[in-house]
Amino acid sequence: GEDVEQSLFLSVREGDSSVINCTYTDSSSTYLYWYKQEPGAGLQLLTYIFSNMDMKQDQRLTVLLNKKDKHLSLRIADTQTGDSAIYFCAERTGGSYIPTFGRGTSLIVHP
Amino acid sequence: EAQVTQNPRYLITVTGKKLTVTCSQNMNHEYMSWYRQDPGLGLRQIYYSMNVEVTDKGDVPEGYKVSRKEKRNFPLILESPSPNQTSLYFCASSFDRLRGQGATEAFFGQGTRLTVV
Repeated sequence: GEDVEQSLFLSVREGDSSVINCTYTDSSSTYLYWYKQEPGAGLQLLTYIFSNMDMKQDQRLTVLLNKKDKHLSLRIADTQTGDSAIYFCAERTGGSYIPTFGRGTSLIVHP
Repeated sequence: EAQVTQNPRYLITVTGKKLTVTCSQNMNHEYMSWYRQDPGLGLRQIYYSMNVEVTDKGDVPEGYKVSRKEKRNFPLILESPSPNQTSLYFCASSFDRLRGQGATEAFFGQGTRLTVV
């Protein structure tokens, strides 16, 4: 069945780069997403990538997709304390609008 | 402003007392869904709805009911709450058929923290 896996925690020092990894099992995934959940809030879409792309860059965020290995990563350059949050990886096939979410990675940024 | 609104934000109740958490979206979305979020378990889908009067079970539907009588509303009903339903609940919606499927961002409500004692 479909599954999205992420590690639960990542701790980085302020100013360093953070890399959050995700693997998925559904080879027919068409859209892959990263959502951010700040403390006390709901999830908000951070960025997404189509499965026919290898990379997408948006300011400090870089998304890399290795479709062969079904591996998605989110790199945050110059990580700030305001980036501390839970980051969820999600995938969806083109024929469905039901996303499958990973368990979320808690990013902790310390001085 | 496009949004998903859940009420209440916080709720403490006793075992067995029926409760309803409301969810409303103003984006003409076809699809709505309920999730619960628990430490170490991430988001788990409870129920979802593809359209009015069309609902289906997610991964953890036991102890919950939903209804979709109108497109904008998707209430979550706990007929007889139990302490293991203490959790953080999120409603989400996505997909406006008139605008096409596209990347179909899911919009989430702010969450309802439920405690059952």
